[in-house]
Amino acid sequence: DTEVTQTPKHLVMGMTNKKSLKCEQHMGHRAMYWYKQKAKKPPELMFVYSYEKLSINESVPSRFSPECPNSSLLNLHLHALQPEDSALYLCASSQDLGTGVTTDTQYFGPGTRLTVL
Amino acid sequence: QKEVEQNSGPLSVPEGAIASLNCTYSDRGSQSFFWYRQYSGKSPELIMFIYSNGDKEDGRFTAQLNKASQYVSLLIRDSQPSDSATYLCAVHPRAGGTSYGKLTFGQGTILTVHP
Repeated sequence: DTEVTQTPKHLVMGMTNKKSLKCEQHMGHRAMYWYKQKAKKPPELMFVYSYEKLSINESVPSRFSPECPNSSLLNLHLHALQPEDSALYLCASSQDLGTGVTTDTQYFGPGTRLTVL
Repeated sequence: QKEVEQNSGPLSVPEGAIASLNCTYSDRGSQSFFWYRQYSGKSPELIMFIYSNGDKEDGRFTAQLNKASQYVSLLIRDSQPSDSATYLCAVHPRAGGTSYGKLTFGQGTILTVHP
């Protein structure tokens, strides 16, 4: 089973709203990722969690706040977003990180389509 | 120079033909290579990964890796209209470095298989 689930599927929010995106996996993976993807562009890495600790932050604005409550869950808290933040937000997970495993294959969830008005 | 480059496309092939998708990468220490398929409005779906030089076959798909030439390709045999999608090449750095875990994606190649 290589399933990563994300909720909600679609989200529309105003610039003053606070909302959260959720991601869950039950594959025993210890690395989880948030990506942002704009139309006709490849996914762009935002954050990486390894063993529930933030290991990579790609200089993402503070209006995006990640959280990893446990090894199966990953949240992305959104506050005071801008219209240009509208995109497909993808969560991914992989088996391990930093242990020399050569095929650190990332599996993506279905994404949350975010629209900021 | 882009770190991962794919043939610009779009690529159009007739049904039943072989589709050839190409990707070059700049980091010679890269360790793992992935092909994802992405249908319009959907998330990337893993097609294949490869990490050793040579060919790797899975059904109608064959991935080819040449580390000396820093080149990876994906061949799709007997192409079907359902293969029409954007194909993303992704490269993973060597283990242990500060970039470990960061996939670098190419810009993608749009493939259209026409009946």
